[in-house]
Amino acid sequence: DTAVSQTPKYLVTQMGNDKSIKCEQNLGHDTMYWYKQDSKKFLKIMFSYNNKELIINETVPNRFSPKSPDKAHLNLHINSLELGDSAVYFCASSQVWDSDSYEQYFGPGTRLTVT
Amino acid sequence: AQKITQTQPGMFVQEKEAVTLDCTYDTSDPSYGLFWYKQPSSGEMIFLIYQGSYDQQNATEGRYSLNFQKARKSANLVISASQLGDSAMYFCAMREGDNFNKFYFGSGTKLNVKP
Repeated sequence: DTAVSQTPKYLVTQMGNDKSIKCEQNLGHDTMYWYKQDSKKFLKIMFSYNNKELIINETVPNRFSPKSPDKAHLNLHINSLELGDSAVYFCASSQVWDSDSYEQYFGPGTRLTVT
Repeated sequence: AQKITQTQPGMFVQEKEAVTLDCTYDTSDPSYGLFWYKQPSSGEMIFLIYQGSYDQQNATEGRYSLNFQKARKSANLVISASQLGDSAMYFCAMREGDNFNKFYFGSGTKLNVKP
């Protein structure tokens, strides 16, 4: 069973389009995240979502919005895609409540290419 | 200042030998967590090992151990008996404080294991 899954794995689209990436975790974790990994492999946190509390990294454009229909899902919507949005996007989850480490488990990543 | 610094962009090691990947961190919070992740060429992020700031002993997980030197703010990963399958990018990460949203990743070290 896949612990953290993302769909699609690859996404190629044109500038200006709106797209979504889905994420689901079956670990029973209470916190989910979205990360962006750029072409230099630098990984940066975009959003953290815990118990309906959403924390947004201040550098994330408001064209990006996470939506969580329930604790097991955190989808990423991107409006008006730009060339600079091309990257690999990772979803992750962790257990915060009653945990010492909060180690994160990552999905397989979605490679987004904007042309 | 960078929160996590990995000074080795690339390293080579002979199969069956041990290798140390360097990581230094920067925080003034007394409570924090340190993590290492492996990213093979297939792209997924695999959690390897965790060290809490209050842990007295160095963390170990199979062939992985974390050389935690608190005064030097370093958290080096030691891989013993390297295998060809260890060839990958390795990322050091820190959770700052007890904040579920404050995770920082280093720029990674690409490890190549030679037969």
